[in-house]
Order: sequence, then structure tokens, then C-alpha cells
Amino acid sequence: AQKVTQAQTEISVVEKEDVTLDCVYETRDTTYYLFWYKQPPSGELVFLIRRNSFDEQNEISGRYSWNFQKSTSSFNFTITASQVVDSAVYFCALSPGSSNTGKLIFGQGTTLQVKP
Amino acid sequence: DAGITQSPRHKVTETGTPVTLRCHQTENHRYMYWYRQDPGHGLRLIHYSYGVKDTDKGEVSDGYSVSRSKTEDFLLTLESATSSQTSVYFCAISAGTGKMSYEQFFGPGTRLTVL
Repeated sequence: AQKVTQAQTEISVVEKEDVTLDCVYETRDTTYYLFWYKQPPSGELVFLIRRNSFDEQNEISGRYSWNFQKSTSSFNFTITASQVVDSAVYFCALSPGSSNTGKLIFGQGTTLQVKP
Repeated sequence: DAGITQSPRHKVTETGTPVTLRCHQTENHRYMYWYRQDPGHGLRLIHYSYGVKDTDKGEVSDGYSVSRSKTEDFLLTLESATSSQTSVYFCAISAGTGKMSYEQFFGPGTRLTVL
């Protein structure tokens, strides 16, 4: 089965706190791709990052960082020193390499609220 | 920003009426997708296209059909709309798949209400 689970439905933090959004995936494919998207209150989906299954290096982009661990099938997303503008729904997604369709399997999403 | 537009952006219709949503891209990407977004489900794939006149079903394709007569346009049709099809519909495009998998870029969405 191919599946993405984001167990945290909603998270609320105060500005400047660090926050980690969890993502656990299931796939039998050895080649696959993982993504994070942000959906702000305006509704559009914004691409944040793509990772392939052969690259387990963690990545940092400004206040954002991603921790990919194949051993636990997790691809967690951390926001350091959160800001009000980070308030959004965040989706983790999986694209199995074997499907050859490029389709994305999304998690249910985590709503992050950053309070001033 | 990727050149993806969707029309209409909002639509209210009645049960039993046909509805067509349009996705238009200016990126010349080969792959196009239709997803629906519902609370508690994230986004789910309805149909996708891997070229002109080449389409296939996603996980929630019942009640929907698609057509792609030109690279830039991907149409989603609800033959006879039902209240369960009230949702936000997103179109996405991608340059590649499989081992050449590229990120998908999404359109602004269409909010459809079926009364």
C-alpha cells in the first residue's frame, strides 16, 4: 500500500517557537519522491521541497529544514523561529517511482497556527 | 510562478447538471492532473494525462471524465453533478515522472458547490 500519514491535524504555537511537522510514508518502491507543499489561507498550493529516496541528506532553507530518515519512513519538516506568516496547512506527499504517472499521494495535512 | 490557470474559479450548480472545469497551462508540460481537496482527505487524484489524448483514472474517478485535445488544456467534466462532488478542484502540471520526477505545480483551484 502507498500511503502518507500526517498524524498532527492541528498545531498551535506562539511566534518564535520552533515547530516540527511529522510525515510518515508507506511504499514498497525503492525509488520514490517525497514532497512538502504549503497552503496558506489564500488557498493556493506552494511547492516547498522535493526529495528522492536515494538522497538522505537533510536540507535547510532559511528557517525551514527537512529530516529524511528511510529507517523510520519519515520526512519531517521543522520551522525554526516561527512567524505568523507561516500559518497555513502543510501537506506531505509521496510519488512512487514505479507508478510512472507522477501522481502524488497526499497526507491529510497539518494546520499550523502561529500566534503573535 | 508556473503558468497555470483554472476556470471558472467559483461555481454553484444544481444536482444533475453537467459541469466542465478547465485547466490551461503555458509551460508546455507533458503531464497534467486533476485533484480534489476535501477536509480530512488532503488532495486526491481524480484523473491525469500523460499527453494529448492520453488520459487515465486516479483513485476517485467515478462520476468524472476528462479530455485533452491540446497540450495546454485539460478539461474535467462532471456528467451529472452530485452533492458529494462539492469540493475544491486543483489542476497540476509536471514536466516529468518516474525516475525523472519533477515537482508538480498547482493552479489556483476551483471551488465547486453542488446544491
